[in-house]
Amino acid sequence: DGGITQSPKYLFRKEGQNVTLSCEQNLNHDAMYWYRQDPGQGLRLIYYSQIVNDFQKGDIAEGYSVSREKKESFPLTVTSAQKNPTAFYLCASSIQGAANEKLFFGSGTQLSVL
Amino acid sequence: EDQVTQSPEALRLQEGESSSLNCSYTVSGLRGLFWYRQDPGKGPEFLFTLYSAGEEKEKERLKATLTKKESFLHITAPKPEDSATYLCAPQDGATNKLIFGTGTLLAVQP
Repeated sequence: DGGITQSPKYLFRKEGQNVTLSCEQNLNHDAMYWYRQDPGQGLRLIYYSQIVNDFQKGDIAEGYSVSREKKESFPLTVTSAQKNPTAFYLCASSIQGAANEKLFFGSGTQLSVL
Repeated sequence: EDQVTQSPEALRLQEGESSSLNCSYTVSGLRGLFWYRQDPGKGPEFLFTLYSAGEEKEKERLKATLTKKESFLHITAPKPEDSATYLCAPQDGATNKLIFGTGTLLAVQP
């Protein structure tokens, strides 16, 4: 079945530690996205990429980094500079990243701070 | 400034009791409005896209409608499996940015 796979499902971060969230898709989509979901808030865009080796900052990119070395993969690193990392992280993809395209979401990663 | 408000925050219905969820929005030149369903601990799942005022779309017990300032998600004779959080997201026509609402948590009791 085609889809988006996020791993791990749960992740714990220690003080000062960088952690990386994995996102893989087999939908052959060009565009991929990372969103953060906090209780009582709408989804907020962290980073997005419309093509391999290129990505753009979203609304809340500070403290995060990404790479897009392969079309299928878009890992997100939560750095120690992100002071409030506890949240539910969602990876998504769309066919080309054009306007009005629906997003396909993964099952998410819950990140917590120890 | 782009804004979206969903109401109510939570809604409890009896099985078969129809109701509507509201999404009020303010965006620059609406390009489209998306509805998603999200189950606990999962990612959102696409339901509908509406593009212009007066448009309606249906899927099983759900019908989405759009005006210039609001969208409604009507649920007819809901079943317990319709229980989920429903998210709306208007898309700003100037930036193509999706503005997600905080969602309505729907619980349908048998």
